[in-house]
Amino acid sequence: DSGVTQTPKHLITATGQRVTLRCSPRSGDLSVYWYQQSLDQGLQFLIQYYNGEERAKGNILERFSAQQFPDLHSELNLSSLELGDSALYFCASSALYPGGDTIYFGEGSWLTVV
Amino acid sequence: AQKVTQAQTEISVVEKEDVTLDCVYETRDTTYYLFWYKQPPSGELVFLIRRNSFDEQNEISGRYSWNFQKSTSSFNFTITASQVVDSAVYFCALSEAGGNTPLVFGKGTRLSVIA
Repeated sequence: DSGVTQTPKHLITATGQRVTLRCSPRSGDLSVYWYQQSLDQGLQFLIQYYNGEERAKGNILERFSAQQFPDLHSELNLSSLELGDSALYFCASSALYPGGDTIYFGEGSWLTVV
Repeated sequence: AQKVTQAQTEISVVEKEDVTLDCVYETRDTTYYLFWYKQPPSGELVFLIRRNSFDEQNEISGRYSWNFQKSTSSFNFTITASQVVDSAVYFCALSEAGGNTPLVFGKGTRLSVIA
């Protein structure tokens, strides 16, 4: 158990819909990262938050947004969903930055868009 | 730009064989961190090791060992006496700028250990 909690574990939704994925980082970790894993793109970095503020942005679509709340949990919002958004979405956390501390991943949220 | 290459897409070995998973990286930074993660069939990503660019000592943890060579920009992972439970996808990852950038992952190597 990495200590990073993601909900829901599985989600099936229709095209055009909006979903929210939730992540609770490990106790004490200030950084939260979101990654998307799809068959054709591999593990892609989406966005990082550090203590409530956006710190780095990767290949995140404009239809996607995220935030980190004062209690440090984070949510990834995916809207106007398309079939290609079907993927495994990972949340990860670390105390500080990736190199200064180990980054641990949650079990992921499987999103299926039909 | 940072890049991680895992040239071996899939490897299949018989139980008890040794197997090495290759990882080659590209970076212009002098301070960076390298990682290995394991993704078993259940899907979670399990942390295996983190190594900084100034530490070229090989590391051994049980049946796992890692060979870091800056001269060839490689960070290879060897499993000794493989077991069926080692069957998984293994990812190598890199964080540049002193470890301040988010992890960039290779495409992964799928290891199948056959009993």
